[in-house]
Amino acid sequence: DTGVSQDPRHKITKRGQNVTFRCDPISEHNRLYWYRQTLGQGPEFLTYFQNEAQLEKSRLLSDRFSAERPKGSFSTLEIQRTEQGDSAMYLCASSPPLIAGERPEQYFGPGTRLTVT
Amino acid sequence: TQLLEQSPQFLSIQEGENLTVYCNSSSVFSSLQWYRQEPGEGPVLLVTVVTGGEVKKLKRLTFQFGDARKDSSLHITAAQPGDTGLYLCAGAWIYNQGGKLIFGQGTELSVKP
Repeated sequence: DTGVSQDPRHKITKRGQNVTFRCDPISEHNRLYWYRQTLGQGPEFLTYFQNEAQLEKSRLLSDRFSAERPKGSFSTLEIQRTEQGDSAMYLCASSPPLIAGERPEQYFGPGTRLTVT
Repeated sequence: TQLLEQSPQFLSIQEGENLTVYCNSSSVFSSLQWYRQEPGEGPVLLVTVVTGGEVKKLKRLTFQFGDARKDSSLHITAAQPGDTGLYLCAGAWIYNQGGKLIFGQGTELSVKP
């Protein structure tokens, strides 16, 4: 049984370049979340999907950010025209369908560390 | 303004000591989760609490959810160097906000041998 996987683990890019990250959730988890974490802070919510539908986007997610989950399985997060302020750890999490009486739980991947120079 | 306030932010103790981390909010949550994170890795789920007043134990770790579901605490007994890490609490509103997590800023714990 594999957990949530993310690729790449590390990305160094120059300001102005585009980057794309991939997340593969735990199989049969229908919900997928993206978070961003900067040094010394807890993760901040960016967006989430239920199956292939993107149901919410944080106002932190500027127009330069876009996320997709085309077949309800893996997801990609793209950042266009990267800025130094985008440097952070990008975390993906997944959770199974909510069933009454069961505890809601999210499982995180190892993250993608982005450094914009 | 942080919706979930964790305290203390930093804690350095000797092996064998006890400690408590607090997570407070003015909001009521459907559930609250505690995670532990090591440098360069994603958070690892420790426990989920959903009922006001609930107490859950995980070996030397005891988690409590406040009666009003606004606050929580994590107590570690006889801390060991392996407990070192960043402890995060995260609240969720399950049925009207899709279960997204709102995190505290974390408590950085260092346990010295």
